[in-house]
Amino acid sequence: EPEVTQTPSHQVTQMGQEVILRCVPISNHLYFYWYRQILGQKVEFLVSFYNNEISEKSEIFDDQFSVERPDGSNFTLKIRSTKLEDSAMYFCASRALGTYEQYFGPGTRLTVT
Amino acid sequence: KQEVTQIPAALSVPEGENLVLNCSFTDSAIYNLQWFRQDPGKGLTSLLLIQSSQREQTSGRLNASLDKSSGRSTLYIAASQPGDSATYLCAVTSNDYKLSFGAGTTVTVRA
Repeated sequence: EPEVTQTPSHQVTQMGQEVILRCVPISNHLYFYWYRQILGQKVEFLVSFYNNEISEKSEIFDDQFSVERPDGSNFTLKIRSTKLEDSAMYFCASRALGTYEQYFGPGTRLTVT
Repeated sequence: KQEVTQIPAALSVPEGENLVLNCSFTDSAIYNLQWFRQDPGKGLTSLLLIQSSQREQTSGRLNASLDKSSGRSTLYIAASQPGDSATYLCAVTSNDYKLSFGAGTTVTVRA
């Protein structure tokens, strides 16, 4: 069964460093999402992406964040200068055209020290 | 803005007892509602998805109901087992296609 994959599973970085989280969505899906979950808190929407551009972003998704689909398979989330409060689990999800169900990857745990 | 609330926040039951987890949402204009399971420090495992036109969905010992007009869903887990111990998250897809999550109900099933 096709699945969304994410790498790395765990990333540790120092404050101020740039990180790139990678996702490979399901191959025929066209809509892509990033969510995050700070420890002990709700899963929160960050951004949606379709047709090589951002469809919608939350207030969390400020100028420090960017997303890209650099090739036909990967979907990335970049945090330019990480802060301690960026420590969270980041989930990628994808959705097929004409459907409403999002399929989630296993997540990347980001720890900023 | 869609708000999703889950009650109770935590639940502890002896093995074999049935579990009832509640979810409510403020905006009834949804496409679907999904229940997830999350083990500590892990990802999201999709359990059941109910389309907005459906009233319930069943998978094994799990049954989820949806009352869209009143903004409520209930997840029933029959004959609970210690392996059911986890956090259960409810999420709704609103008409902007974003998923809004509840804070979850943490379930402990005592052997």
